[in-house]
Amino acid sequence: EVQLVESGGGLIQPGGSLRLSCAAPGFIVSSNYMSWVRQAPGKGLEWVSVIYRDGRINYADSVKGRFTISRDNSKNTLYLQMNSLRADDTAVYYCARSGDEWYFDLWGRGTLVTVSS
Amino acid sequence: EIVLTQSPATLSLSPGERATLSCRASQSISIYLAWYQQKPGQAPRLLIYDASYRATGIPARFSGSGSGTDFTLTISSLEPEDFAVYYCQQRSNWPLTFGPGTKVDIK
Repeated sequence: EVQLVESGGGLIQPGGSLRLSCAAPGFIVSSNYMSWVRQAPGKGLEWVSVIYRDGRINYADSVKGRFTISRDNSKNTLYLQMNSLRADDTAVYYCARSGDEWYFDLWGRGTLVTVSS
Repeated sequence: EIVLTQSPATLSLSPGERATLSCRASQSISIYLAWYQQKPGQAPRLLIYDASYRATGIPARFSGSGSGTDFTLTISSLEPEDFAVYYCQQRSNWPLTFGPGTKVDIK
């Protein structure tokens, strides 16, 4: 079955670091455009970062310089390294797949990151 | 950054009624707009892409229209499972952005 499975969320103090993972059984991560999208509690959706098929990367201004997206082709897994976390980074983080049209046709169930002291 | 505005914020309707949701872009985005449905505790689901094309497996009661700056999602006859939050998303310019959502709840 084609799916995305996120892990790695949790409670972290402000200024801390966390790495999220997204496993992708059923399809090849490196053959797709893979993004992280987050949703603060009770709020809307915010695109965070993307890694292209060719390895190029893009970030939202709100996370640039603090977050790093990457993938491990041998493990078929997407990652999001999050440093210098702030309270406003608190959200459910989804990994999502898109094609050439840049719409998200497959989403994981999300992993909750809570930044609080 | 392209800002998407959705209206109304909440739409209270009964099953069987027609729902009309609006999404307006801060500048022209041609037809490069999608609609997603999100139910509580679930990930969003792609409904419509490029303004008017239904995604795989989406029922025909969902339809989209519009171009430029004004877009509409119509649910012709609400089923119980359609009560949810609906988001629009543009892919015309980076960063990709979403609207704030319209909640369709039961009247």
